[in-house]
Amino acid sequence: QQPVQSPQAVILREGEDAVINCSSSKALYSVHWYRQKHGEAPVFLMILLKGGEQKGHDKISASFNEKKQQSSLYLTASQLSYSGTYFCGTETGTASKLTFGTGTRLQVTL
Amino acid sequence: NAGVTQTPKFQVLKTGQSMTLQCAQDMNHEYMSWYRQDPGMGLRLIHYSVGAGITDQGEVPNGYNVSRSTTEDFPLRLLSAAPSQTSVYFCASSYSFVGGEQFFGPGTRLTVL
Repeated sequence: QQPVQSPQAVILREGEDAVINCSSSKALYSVHWYRQKHGEAPVFLMILLKGGEQKGHDKISASFNEKKQQSSLYLTASQLSYSGTYFCGTETGTASKLTFGTGTRLQVTL
Repeated sequence: NAGVTQTPKFQVLKTGQSMTLQCAQDMNHEYMSWYRQDPGMGLRLIHYSVGAGITDQGEVPNGYNVSRSTTEDFPLRLLSAAPSQTSVYFCASSYSFVGGEQFFGPGTRLTVL
């Protein structure tokens, strides 16, 4: 069962912040975040493992609430290069399967 | 390191034709997988492999076959193409079965007429 992402789309002005949410109905072992630009392959951003702490690099960070089976991706002071579709992927840990959400389209404008 | 490579980049098939999408990686990853991506559907897992000789089904395996005779290669076979298989196909590999970063290939855009 696919995780649910929200919002489906968001438009930001450069410098604004955004939060993308990912929730699952199953107990999770890990949550992955990827960004895909139009016509390209998805690119890894970060993984959050069960029992791990919040992660981040540069102005992109993420959290993982194991009890609620939810993860959030935080983009601060957005840049034009942040535009793309963001996907979360979830693993339950019982099988080697990564299940992706349907994506959040982010557009950053001047 | 070439990473994950896929061939062809584009392919047009007629209904009923068969073909094989090629995927190779040079990172010595045990875990490899195939996804299809359709508008509004995200990435859906077709088949995956946790090592040479071991494969298993994902969410949408019908109409596709896979085999894994070497660590490097993981081809995806369409036995009898259908218009519903028109999609973009991505191959991915990872160093870990669970909790490992997925490295994606550039994709194959397939159209079935």
